[in-house]
Amino acid sequence: DAEITQSPRHKITETGRQVTLACHQTWNHNNMFWYRQDLGHGLRLIHYSYGVQDTNKGEVSDGYSVSRSNTEDLPLTLESAASSQTSVYFCASSPGTGSGNTIYFGEGSWLTVV
Amino acid sequence: QKEVEQDPGPLSVPEGAIVSLNCTYSNSAFQYFMWYRQYSRKGPELLMYTYSSGNKEDGRFTAQVDKSSKYISLFIRDSQPSDSATYLCAMTGGPVAAGNKLTFGGGTRVLVKP
Repeated sequence: DAEITQSPRHKITETGRQVTLACHQTWNHNNMFWYRQDLGHGLRLIHYSYGVQDTNKGEVSDGYSVSRSNTEDLPLTLESAASSQTSVYFCASSPGTGSGNTIYFGEGSWLTVV
Repeated sequence: QKEVEQDPGPLSVPEGAIVSLNCTYSNSAFQYFMWYRQYSRKGPELLMYTYSSGNKEDGRFTAQVDKSSKYISLFIRDSQPSDSATYLCAMTGGPVAAGNKLTFGGGTRVLVKP
């Protein structure tokens, strides 16, 4: 079955380190997204991509970057991890049109910055 | 004021009862409406997807959209302990591939007691 997978599922890192969270989907969806979910803030969009070589900033993009070199992968990089980036991160993808105009989430990556 | 409002709960019901969840929104441009279920430490899972106003039924789940009142609802009949989760509403004004992003409610936590 097609799916979306994230790795690592859990990570503890130190302040100032660079961290990359991987996201891989096998649905061949052009549209991919990264969200973070925090108590009191809900799901917030970090970055998104509508296709290879396309990346866009979401509402909370500061301190994060993404790259899209192929359809399947959208890695999220925290350039210099901060304690405020302790969160659970969800990758998502969408076919984008028609009845598929919704998004499907991965299982999440729990990141702790100490 | 948030664009999408959702009571955080918790909403506690006995097994077999009807669970009634709702979201209100302020953006009249929203046309696509979704409900997600999120179990603890898991990613959101798409439950229901509706376009414009009206009702949609899928098994024990019924989604209703009242665009005139800017109000959407999710009903769960014959609730089971396995329905205990957080339910998120989400909505957008147009195709995701055309740059329309999902706006999420904060989620309602539901507890179904045996």
